[in-house]
Amino acid sequence: GDSVTQMEGPVTLSEEAFLTINCTYTATGYPSLFWYVQYPGEGLQLLLKATKADDKGSNKGFEATYRKETTSFHLEKGSVQVSDSAVYFCALTLSGNTGKLIFGQGTTLQVKP
Amino acid sequence: DTEVTQTPKHLVMGMTNKKSLKCEQHMGHRAMYWYKQKAKKPPELMFVYSYEKLSINESVPSRFSPECPNSSLLNLHLHALQPEDSALYLCASSQIIPNSNQPQHFGDGTRLSIL
Repeated sequence: GDSVTQMEGPVTLSEEAFLTINCTYTATGYPSLFWYVQYPGEGLQLLLKATKADDKGSNKGFEATYRKETTSFHLEKGSVQVSDSAVYFCALTLSGNTGKLIFGQGTTLQVKP
Repeated sequence: DTEVTQTPKHLVMGMTNKKSLKCEQHMGHRAMYWYKQKAKKPPELMFVYSYEKLSINESVPSRFSPECPNSSLLNLHLHALQPEDSALYLCASSQIIPNSNQPQHFGDGTRLSIL
């Protein structure tokens, strides 16, 4: 079935380090891909999205490229800050009309000063 | 600032109580969603409303009863809940499906504790 796999966390980095969080997916058809971020005590915020192959989503210094050939959507940031500490969820929706988001398990990022 | 507003932020209730969670959005979205999220897990879809009609029920127990009185409001009525129902309940909205490339916008959730 359709699914999203994220790298196991937690990921612990020092401030200004480079971040990569891996995300791969399995889907029939042509999914749209999303990264959501959840800060402690809050709901999910859309971080970025990509709707077709080779699209690059970017926001707040984060970016991810929709790679159809490797079925991946890895999240990257060149220089993380303490304020980026949160849980990051990769997700997809499928073409069609269910509106259902399929989430990965989430990756906790902790950035230390 | 979130554009989806959920009330209350916290709720503690006994297993015999009846309570309701409320969600409101003013983005003109015609699809609204309820999710349940346990600690350190991704959200699990419960219900989807499309044009104020229930389109998906993910086999949710009948002690959870959703209601969509108009295009801006979504309620979740709770009755005779169990301790395992303690969780963060998230509401979301999006432009109408089947444009599945439209992202869902989430509220900050209601943290529910069942005594």
